[in-house]
Amino acid sequence: GQNIDQPTEMTATEGAIVQINCTYQTSGFNGLFWYQQHAGEAPTFLSYNVLDGLEEKGRFSSFLSRSKGYSYLLLKELQMKDSASYLCAVRTDKLIFGTGTRLQVFP
Amino acid sequence: GAVVSQHPSWVICKSGTSVKIECRSLDFQATTMFWYRQFPKQSLMLMATSNEGSKATYEQGVEKDKFLINHASLTLSTLTVTSAHPEDSSFYICSAKGDGHYGYTFGSGTRLTVV
Repeated sequence: GQNIDQPTEMTATEGAIVQINCTYQTSGFNGLFWYQQHAGEAPTFLSYNVLDGLEEKGRFSSFLSRSKGYSYLLLKELQMKDSASYLCAVRTDKLIFGTGTRLQVFP
Repeated sequence: GAVVSQHPSWVICKSGTSVKIECRSLDFQATTMFWYRQFPKQSLMLMATSNEGSKATYEQGVEKDKFLINHASLTLSTLTVTSAHPEDSSFYICSAKGDGHYGYTFGSGTRLTVV
């Protein structure tokens, strides 16, 4: 089967750094996406990793280790508007989403 | 950039009726369309994958006779929820993948409420 696991909920303080982990066991791997989703809206693309290592894009960075089946999303200088759900998704011959992490940022 | 238009954005229907949801790729050809369902406070669950001109492939546990998917052209895919029941109330969202795209473009989603 396909398992893509994330912590259910996380909290953090404005201005802080938070790391959201994603572990996966899938039949096949062609890349890993991170999305942000606000309630009732479509997911918004944040990052895509296909090779091992760190991809940095502004306040957001994403890391991938294919041998460990592990990725994380790092959010720096947290803002209140970063309160949302964060979804990792693995591309096989489909796009399969992880369990999702609800992040709440407090002032 | 690539845009997928999904309609309706929300719909309320009576139990036992059918509802059709459309997803159109506006500026690219969507060779593959994925349909997801999302219950409150949960992640997106893949329901089915459709390729233009062929039958959809359904995920385990998804009733193909209840959730009819049509992908008759490279720019249009539809999901019809037949004989809807209150437990079908959910957020339905499509995602299109076109040739040459490593990314997936999502529709804006449809909130279905069955009363």
